[in-house]
Amino acid sequence: DAGITQSPRHKVTETGTPVTLRCHQTENHRYMYWYRQDPGHGLRLIHYSYGVKDTDKGEVSDGYSVSRSKTEDFLLTLESATSSQTSVYFCAALQGLNTEAFFGQGTRLTVV
Amino acid sequence: AQKVTQAQTEISVVEKEDVTLDCVYETRDTTYYLFWYKQPPSGELVFLIRRNSFDEQNEISGRYSWNFQKSTSSFNFTITASQVVDSAVYFCALSEAGEGAQKLVFGQGTRLTINP
Repeated sequence: DAGITQSPRHKVTETGTPVTLRCHQTENHRYMYWYRQDPGHGLRLIHYSYGVKDTDKGEVSDGYSVSRSKTEDFLLTLESATSSQTSVYFCAALQGLNTEAFFGQGTRLTVV
Repeated sequence: AQKVTQAQTEISVVEKEDVTLDCVYETRDTTYYLFWYKQPPSGELVFLIRRNSFDEQNEISGRYSWNFQKSTSSFNFTITASQVVDSAVYFCALSEAGEGAQKLVFGQGTRLTINP
């Protein structure tokens, strides 16, 4: 797993509540990513970061925000969770352009 | 904008058959990287191969081989003599070498089932 840890691994939350998922890496990777995985859609990019406090939107960023105040942590926040955000969320990190991405174990989020 | 298309949603073959997974990509950059990842039933994502846009040599690793053709913007993956353990979802991905920000975009994935 190249030192990438996601927390929590599983979470059930109610519609309308805020939720924060954490991705922690220990390898000083510059780039970090949040994806969601849904049947029939593969891995879709939510937000990504190319450095501390440098973030940008992916293809499915609506309803999500991110923060990266330290190299090692990349937080994904659902300000007001909806049932459509029920999914498996993966964090990834990589060192540079010609390196492969390493993934966390995933977080299964259920919004009821 | 960069895009990866894996048109084959699901493939099912009998063990020992050869199978090819297709990947077509779109990018405006001349420098980019292509990847294949495997996601077994356990759920983790496993890196298989990386290829940069300047290296069109095909690669073989055991029963796995990859065919990169810039002329058709394709990076196909072939498993020879498939085995039940090859059953997984396979993802193709594209990374562009832009200034500063680097997006890593995945295709929709192909679910491969190898039947005994």
